[in-house]
Amino acid sequence: AQKVTQAQTEISVVEKEDVTLDCVYETRDTTYYLFWYKQPPSGELVFLIRRNSFDEQNEISGRYSWNFQKSTSSFNFTITASQVVDSAVYFCALNFFGNEKLTFGTGTRLTIIP
Amino acid sequence: DVKVTQSSRYLVKRTGEKVFLECVQDMDHENMFWYRQDPGLGLRLIYFSYDVKMKEKGDIPEGYSVSREKKERFSLILESASTNQTSMYLCASYSGTGSTGELFFGEGSRLTVL
Repeated sequence: AQKVTQAQTEISVVEKEDVTLDCVYETRDTTYYLFWYKQPPSGELVFLIRRNSFDEQNEISGRYSWNFQKSTSSFNFTITASQVVDSAVYFCALNFFGNEKLTFGTGTRLTIIP
Repeated sequence: DVKVTQSSRYLVKRTGEKVFLECVQDMDHENMFWYRQDPGLGLRLIYFSYDVKMKEKGDIPEGYSVSREKKERFSLILESASTNQTSMYLCASYSGTGSTGELFFGEGSRLTVL
């Protein structure tokens, strides 16, 4: 069975602060994919990143960065110099090789205070 | 631009009513999904379909059925709505096959059952 845990239910930070959203996963599969999705107030989830289990390189995209550590089964997401537009619910998700079904975490609501 | 459209953003129904939630995608994707989103529980998979007239149960199919008569349309049916089905319902379609695709979501349908 697969499981994704996002222990932080809600986080609030002041604008321009850095913030890290934690994601811990469990899977017995050796090949799997990890995802992050953003759900802004409009409701539509937006894909941010997919990372496969063989690629542990950190990734940076503008103010966003992701730290994948297989040793701790974690795939954490950091926003640098946060902005009000980053306010959203963020979901971490997992699927295993050859399967289209994603298992989602419970989400972290991030509020950026102006 | 990729588009998943859910017919109703907000619905209010009474206990025992039959409810149809419609979802249309314009990307010619084979795989489509219905998720339910509840606070503290994240997204849970209700049903998915990998082809016309093909469906599979997800993690919480009880009280729901689905219909996929055309590739672009995937409907979620509550045969007899109950108050515990008050929730946000999210439709998604999946680009590609296997685990290398990406989920595209609609804006969600918030259902209240009185």
